[in-house]
Amino acid sequence: AQSVTQLGSHVSVSEGALVLLRCNYSSSVPPYLFWYVQYPNQGLQLLLKYTTGATLVKGINGFEAEFKKSETSFHLTKPSAHMSDAAEYFCAVSDQGGTSYGKLTFGQGTILTVHP
Amino acid sequence: SQTIHQWPATLVQPVGSPLSLECTVEGTSNPNLYWYRQAAGRGLQLLFYSVGIGQISSEVPQNLSASRPQDRQFILSSKKLLLSDSGFYLCAWSVQAGLETQYFGPGTRLLVL
Repeated sequence: AQSVTQLGSHVSVSEGALVLLRCNYSSSVPPYLFWYVQYPNQGLQLLLKYTTGATLVKGINGFEAEFKKSETSFHLTKPSAHMSDAAEYFCAVSDQGGTSYGKLTFGQGTILTVHP
Repeated sequence: SQTIHQWPATLVQPVGSPLSLECTVEGTSNPNLYWYRQAAGRGLQLLFYSVGIGQISSEVPQNLSASRPQDRQFILSSKKLLLSDSGFYLCAWSVQAGLETQYFGPGTRLLVL
């Protein structure tokens, strides 16, 4: 069974500071990994995903994440936080198994607060 | 381009009343469809998924049911709501290949009183 752990339910940074949101996963097969962002009372929007190939993945809004197999991690980073980055962020994993039907397992989410 | 709609946006219902939430997708054919529930502080929980018309798989036992009467329509229902059914319900779709990105609708906020 897959699982996703997001370390820290709340992260607070100052505007212009580095953003680091942590995600660790467990999977019996090489996974597909995703980061989604959710603004208040809205659906989820895909930030970036890792499937195969380059382990450093760049996404929208200046975010990127690095897949580290040895650490089973997929941390999300952004060099300089902007006030508009304040939202809840979800890490998710999808099994490559043939009967998975693309089902995603989500972490509990991390709420990012950006201070002026 | 593809779009996904959910309605209603918000709903307040008394305990014991029925429920029907609707999700429709435009701009694609034969998608995989998913219903998730997001409760405060609990992340997203997959409730149902469907790979075709009339094909529904339930992920967790609960007071809810799902149906897919048409290729791009997914309905979440209940005969009698419980307080614990309150939450934010999200519909999502993906390409039938099964390993593709899921795209989410705007969600329905349900409050059961």
